[in-house]
Amino acid sequence: EDQVTQSPEALRLQEGESSSLNCSYTVSGLRGLFWYRQDPGKGPEFLFTLYSAGEEKEKERLKATLTKKESFLHITAPKPEDSATYLCAVQGARRGATNKLIFGTGTLLAVQP
Amino acid sequence: NAGVTQTPKFRVLKTGQSMTLLCAQDMNHEYMYWYRQDPGMGLRLIHYSVGEGTTAKGEVPDGYNVSRLKKQNFLLGLESAAPSQTSVYFCASSDGTGGNQPQHFGDGTRLSIL
Repeated sequence: EDQVTQSPEALRLQEGESSSLNCSYTVSGLRGLFWYRQDPGKGPEFLFTLYSAGEEKEKERLKATLTKKESFLHITAPKPEDSATYLCAVQGARRGATNKLIFGTGTLLAVQP
Repeated sequence: NAGVTQTPKFRVLKTGQSMTLLCAQDMNHEYMYWYRQDPGMGLRLIHYSVGEGTTAKGEVPDGYNVSRLKKQNFLLGLESAAPSQTSVYFCASSDGTGGNQPQHFGDGTRLSIL
């Protein structure tokens, strides 16, 4: 059964304090791993798609990496505006034809000034 | 650029009442999805559609019905609302070409069943 586990559940950082969020997954035939950002009262906002182990993607202070078992979202020198819940989702071969996703429960990131 | 628009944004119902949630997308996407998001449980797929006139069950379909009469619209219905259906409902859409396409979400409908 496809499964996604995110850790930690919550993370509090000081502004400028770099850290990483983890997404561990079990899926039959990974077709894509997706990272989203969700602000309070809003829908998830797409950040990255990673397709194969070894792949990396960057956007401003965020960098996503992928191995065969997990993905990391590295946050370098975060700012208070990076505070949000970060969601990870996977698409396996069984769901690939319809782009269906399995989501983790997210990591709530708070960056204090 | 509106993207995915959900209406209403908030609603309070009494047990047994019915209602319809509307989702509209302006990206010409083939695929559309309805999720519910509950604390500690993540996003769970209720129903989805791979094209106009088609619908299929997701992980948690019981108590819900859907319709996709037009490509741009996807409706979620609750025939007889129950307190267990109190949740935040999100609609999403994705491009149907190829695979591995990201889903794009609306800002949700917050539904309370009393």
